[in-house]
Amino acid sequence: GDSVTQMEGPVTLSEEAFLTINCTYTATGYPSLFWYVQYPGEGLQLLLKATKADDKGSNKGFEATYRKETTSFHLEKGSVQVSDSAVYFCALSEGGGATNKLIFGTGTLLAVQP
Amino acid sequence: DSGVTQTPKHLITATGQRVTLRCSPRSGDLSVYWYQQSLDQGLQFLIQYYNGEERAKGNILERFSAQQFPDLHSELNLSSLELGDSALYFCASSTEGIRNTIYFGEGSWLTVV
Repeated sequence: GDSVTQMEGPVTLSEEAFLTINCTYTATGYPSLFWYVQYPGEGLQLLLKATKADDKGSNKGFEATYRKETTSFHLEKGSVQVSDSAVYFCALSEGGGATNKLIFGTGTLLAVQP
Repeated sequence: DSGVTQTPKHLITATGQRVTLRCSPRSGDLSVYWYQQSLDQGLQFLIQYYNGEERAKGNILERFSAQQFPDLHSELNLSSLELGDSALYFCASSTEGIRNTIYFGEGSWLTVV
């Protein structure tokens, strides 16, 4: 079945460092891809999404490009802040059939130090 | 604020008991999803309802059941609770459309002691 693989955490960075969190997927169809973020003690918030190949999702300085040829959707940010410390989840929506339920990766904890 | 409301936020109960978690979707959303987040299993899809009908089923135990009511709110019933059922249970909702965004509530923390 469809699946999502994320890089293991935790990722620890200093403020203003460059961030990359790798995400690859396996899907039989043409999924939509998402990044969700979970701040400490809070629920899941949509960070960005892309619905077709070569689309770039962006929000709050974060970006991710849907790469069909490498089945990847890596999350990047040029300069992280302490407030970016959270758990980041990559997810796909299968995009076919009767449901658009999400399949999540295991999550990557990001800790940004001042 | 996603617009998805879940109650209760925290719940502590004993093994063998039964609890009900409640979810109100965003205004206008017909689909409701339930997810379980635990340390060992990560985020697992449990079940989806669309306009009162079950649409998709995931890794939901037979001890668990859900329903969506005519006013579109949903309830997740967990019975014969075990220690391993301790988790954060998320409700989410979306509009119709295969590529539409799914919005999550803040979750209900269940602790089974």
